[in-house]
Amino acid sequence: TQLLEQSPQFLSIQEGENLTVYCNSSSVFSSLQWYRQEPGEGPVLLVTVVTGGEVKKLKRLTFQFGDARKDSSLHITAAQPGDTGLYLCAGVIQGAQKLVFGQGTRLTINP
Amino acid sequence: NAGVTQTPKFRVLKTGQSMTLLCAQDMNHEYMYWYRQDPGMGLRLIHYSVGEGTTAKGEVPDGYNVSRLKKQNFLLGLESAAPSQTSVYFCASSYFFSGAYNEQFFGPGTRLTVL
Repeated sequence: TQLLEQSPQFLSIQEGENLTVYCNSSSVFSSLQWYRQEPGEGPVLLVTVVTGGEVKKLKRLTFQFGDARKDSSLHITAAQPGDTGLYLCAGVIQGAQKLVFGQGTRLTINP
Repeated sequence: NAGVTQTPKFRVLKTGQSMTLLCAQDMNHEYMYWYRQDPGMGLRLIHYSVGEGTTAKGEVPDGYNVSRLKKQNFLLGLESAAPSQTSVYFCASSYFFSGAYNEQFFGPGTRLTVL
């Protein structure tokens, strides 16, 4: 059973479209991170959100932490082929000292 | 700085063989981690270390052992490999483990196949 459920697991869209990836849990997280992973490489941190309701923007990427700190979303505006990759959410469960990962969303942006 | 490096990059083992994966970091991080990544499962924590000479079990520790004799190195051992251990293994390190300050830096991974 995944503590963090990501949806969708696969997404293939055309360049220029918008998309949203979701990361949901029944647990409360003290912080939540989004990583991006390219083929043959390790994940690289994109953002960390800490406060419930927090919104962070990274160019065309917008990250939101749910008010109850149980969920998060990643929205990409005007997707580009360079956004292709595996997106992973990861959270620190409140009171624990471990980072748990979602199963990932494999995103493909077609030119 | 090389960051986090892993050796080897690829390995094929036969069932029952043993091997050691080496992870090295040059960022003076206290915390180090070993994960495995399987399709549709994300990253799962095998073992981790909060400092030199310490190790602790993660989510899926069975069949693996680890050692952290030096701060910069974290070794993952498979004593008797099984086909279920076919996976991509990632090592990571971080300064702290405290929410917002816990950026983990990952190595490039080791692809292990057990026949």
